[in-house]
Amino acid sequence: DQQVKQNSPSLSVQEGRISILNCDYTNSMFDYFLWYKKYPAEGPTFLISISSIKDKNEDGRFTVFLNKSAKHLSLHIVPSQPGDSAVYFCAGNGAGSYQLTFGKGTKLSVIP
Amino acid sequence: DSGVTQTPKHLITATGQRVTLRCSPRSGDLSVYWYQQSLDQGLQFLIHYYNGEERAKGNILERFSAQQFPDLHSELNLSSLELGDSALYFCASSAQGFDGYTFGSGTRLTVV
Repeated sequence: DQQVKQNSPSLSVQEGRISILNCDYTNSMFDYFLWYKKYPAEGPTFLISISSIKDKNEDGRFTVFLNKSAKHLSLHIVPSQPGDSAVYFCAGNGAGSYQLTFGKGTKLSVIP
Repeated sequence: DSGVTQTPKHLITATGQRVTLRCSPRSGDLSVYWYQQSLDQGLQFLIHYYNGEERAKGNILERFSAQQFPDLHSELNLSSLELGDSALYFCASSAQGFDGYTFGSGTRLTVV
């Protein structure tokens, strides 16, 4: 049972445009969500997070939106830059648990 | 450098063998997590240790075991290795007040 789903394995975007990466979850106990970015031959690095008490969190070019009723979150990158090309993982976490459940990732390619 | 150190970076071994992967968490972090990333798969949670004690187990095979030592470093032992165990193995650590993980750069295990 895949509790966190990233249905788009890959996404290509022109430099300067918006990148939108989507994530759906099924576990209603999740109350904290994170996005990680991974370059080849490196470990994932934390990008941005959101608590279920919010519906939006911004950090520079990165914004995460949470729709609890739809069990859906999205990561917006504006404007996209070639250095953003990486695999992006969405993860969920439930109250009291330190375990993160990850999606399979979306490979973003930003074309110059 | 994330502060989480994993050794070795690469490991090639034969089926049936046993290997040990090592992880040193970020300074001050008491929790260590192990994740497996196989081809086309997301990050699969294996096990969580907190200050030397096992806290949670995920989809960890009986052939796999882990421990966390008094100096907080952790080892993941994989035995009776099979071809399907070939994967990236990531270690991550977190602080006492959980706000996500810091990952190491991983160990790439190839079983031949």
